[in-house]
Amino acid sequence: GAGVSQSPRYKVAKRGQDVALRCDPISGHVSLFWYQQALGQGPEFLTYFQNEAQLDKSGLPSDRFFAERPEGSVSTLKIQRTQQEDSAVYLCASSPRQTGELFFGEGSRLTVL
Amino acid sequence: TQLLEQSPQFLSIQEGENLTVYCNSSSVFSSLQWYRQEPGEGPVLLVTVVTGGEVKKLKRLTFQFGDARKDSSLHITAAQPGDTGLYLCAGRPAGTYKYIFGTGTRLKVLA
Repeated sequence: GAGVSQSPRYKVAKRGQDVALRCDPISGHVSLFWYQQALGQGPEFLTYFQNEAQLDKSGLPSDRFFAERPEGSVSTLKIQRTQQEDSAVYLCASSPRQTGELFFGEGSRLTVL
Repeated sequence: TQLLEQSPQFLSIQEGENLTVYCNSSSVFSSLQWYRQEPGEGPVLLVTVVTGGEVKKLKRLTFQFGDARKDSSLHITAAQPGDTGLYLCAGRPAGTYKYIFGTGTRLKVLA
């Protein structure tokens, strides 16, 4: 499709497991953002990429969270040793420029038991 | 930590009523956006405002950016059930590329 694609849509993990969430942005989009959204809340910024460069990772909550975009297109958000407080929807967004409209995927809902 | 506070947090109104949602911050933003999000989907952009005092209209929706670029409002005239959703403001702090989202306003319009 032409939109931002995220996988998996739903992920259930046992506490302590590692998870990887994938984002396929719109082709040619320079900017890529990851956000964490708790139920009924606004999205919280995690990290920002411009092409393959991670320019801002100030929102990553701990060193268990790691994101990469090695070739400037697909991005992966990895969470190591998951905790219950990591349960949330993880949203990926891309943008054709450094600033401007964000195009969001449908999100990956992570539940940690 | 959210830098953008939205009010009200929840709003349930009858079809045809008017409403205003507020987005406030102590920080200055280079630009501010409004999004609407429906369950199970990502937010979708409604409007971007960049100039202090700017007013933009999108059919029954009117958006205003505060003169000091610290706050914004969204006014909906004659609300319809199709307006139901989570409304989010998002500001881009000066000198950064990231967008900070507000706490959200959940609107329900009853037929």
